Amino acid sequence: DAGVIQSPRHEVTEMGQEVTLRCKPISGHDYLFWYRQTMMRGLELLIYFNNNVPIDDSGMPEDRFSAKMPNASFSTLKIQPSEPRDSAVYFCASSFLTSGKGATQYFGPGTRLTVL
Amino acid sequence: QKEVEQNSGPLSVPEGAIASLNCTYSDRGSQSFFWYRQYSGKSPELIMSIYSNGDKEDGRFTAQLNKASQYVSLLIRDSQPSDSATYLCAVRTSGTYKYIFGTGTRLKVLA
Repeated sequence: DAGVIQSPRHEVTEMGQEVTLRCKPISGHDYLFWYRQTMMRGLELLIYFNNNVPIDDSGMPEDRFSAKMPNASFSTLKIQPSEPRDSAVYFCASSFLTSGKGATQYFGPGTRLTVL
Repeated sequence: QKEVEQNSGPLSVPEGAIASLNCTYSDRGSQSFFWYRQYSGKSPELIMSIYSNGDKEDGRFTAQLNKASQYVSLLIRDSQPSDSATYLCAVRTSGTYKYIFGTGTRLKVLA
């Protein structure tokens, strides 16, 4: 399996522009997570989906952020308009729940976003 | 109070020594605990998961869980320079499949 795929790997944009990050989870996984990682705040959960349905988006910082999962093999995280404080590494992770205890999350390589 | 707390380090240990990494959590109902390793510029990868009180061993790694004290630790025996990385503690919050990560402890193993 190719693992979790994210694109682009690097994105540099100017303040006010729209940014779209993409994720392809591991085939057969039923959970998908979007995280943001910064030096100051560490790894923060933004939103997660189960079977393509958003379950908890309480970590989405504000209305400028939105996420969708139109099907089991694709998800997007959109920032509109982008601001310099959005600069971070954004990770997508997927997992397959095999028991009530939780499951291993497999992380993608991340997208390093820089907003100038 | 942060939900999952770790000492940021760096924790420096000589090669061959035991490295001890600690994590405390605030949600008393949490049932699932994970340790991830993250090399600089890379994504986190799972080292171990633990669900029951006590110790769980896997090779050079031992995870320890004490739910009464809300404490989970990771021991790395015979530390190698290749173990130098940031170690993230993650807790699955009760009643959800939401995982909260600590900010990580940076480990440096000195050759």
